[in-house]
Amino acid sequence: SYVLSQPPSVSAAPGQTARITCSGDNIGSKSVHWYQRRPGQAPLLVIYDDSEWPSGIPERFSGSNSGNTATLTIRRVEVVDEAEYYCQVWDSSIDHPVFGGGTKLTV
Amino acid sequence: VQLQESGPRLVKPSQTLSLTCTVSGGSMRNEDYSWSWVRQAPGKGLEWIGYVSNSGRTSYNPSLESRVILTLDKSKKQLSLDLRFVTATDTAVYYCARLGVSYPLNQFDPWGQGTLVTVSS
Repeated sequence: SYVLSQPPSVSAAPGQTARITCSGDNIGSKSVHWYQRRPGQAPLLVIYDDSEWPSGIPERFSGSNSGNTATLTIRRVEVVDEAEYYCQVWDSSIDHPVFGGGTKLTV
Repeated sequence: VQLQESGPRLVKPSQTLSLTCTVSGGSMRNEDYSWSWVRQAPGKGLEWIGYVSNSGRTSYNPSLESRVILTLDKSKKQLSLDLRFVTATDTAVYYCARLGVSYPLNQFDPWGQGTLVTVSS
């Protein structure tokens, strides 16, 4: 089955830019979705279909996807952005969703 | 649309874990969506359990397929999860979520708040 790899942790100072990667074989041909999970809270969709914003998500969050790597970029990082971030794609070969292992963002 | 999980918080080993997800503020009859369960064990990442489509078709994570059953009651606006023969490794926060069915919009949104289920004697 399809495998997504994320770095376990990323850190950024407030006001800086954080980049979280999600690697997979030819992931650029797939649609990638990103979720934020703050401690004690439910996951929240922050980017869908590579680079689209759900309603209410600030434009500090952006996504890109090409080749074997998708990237979630968070500009002007804030303390409230400290959370786990997960990428997800649809594995059409088995008709199942697949999650990456998650990345802990420390601000 | 809002989702809320409910069910026992403590289950004994070898028994069946049963949870219900109630949907409010919207219909479960929209054919653009399926309904899904995802869990997160302590210190682990998100694990997809399975989904049930608007027509009742189910699909499960192969690692859990032999033990899990999902059902949909559209009249009650409820999604149910039964996980049989549980062990301590099934201890997790269980989330229900709406899942888009049309590629490329196969994202989970929204999610319920989640409920922690502990498997222990």
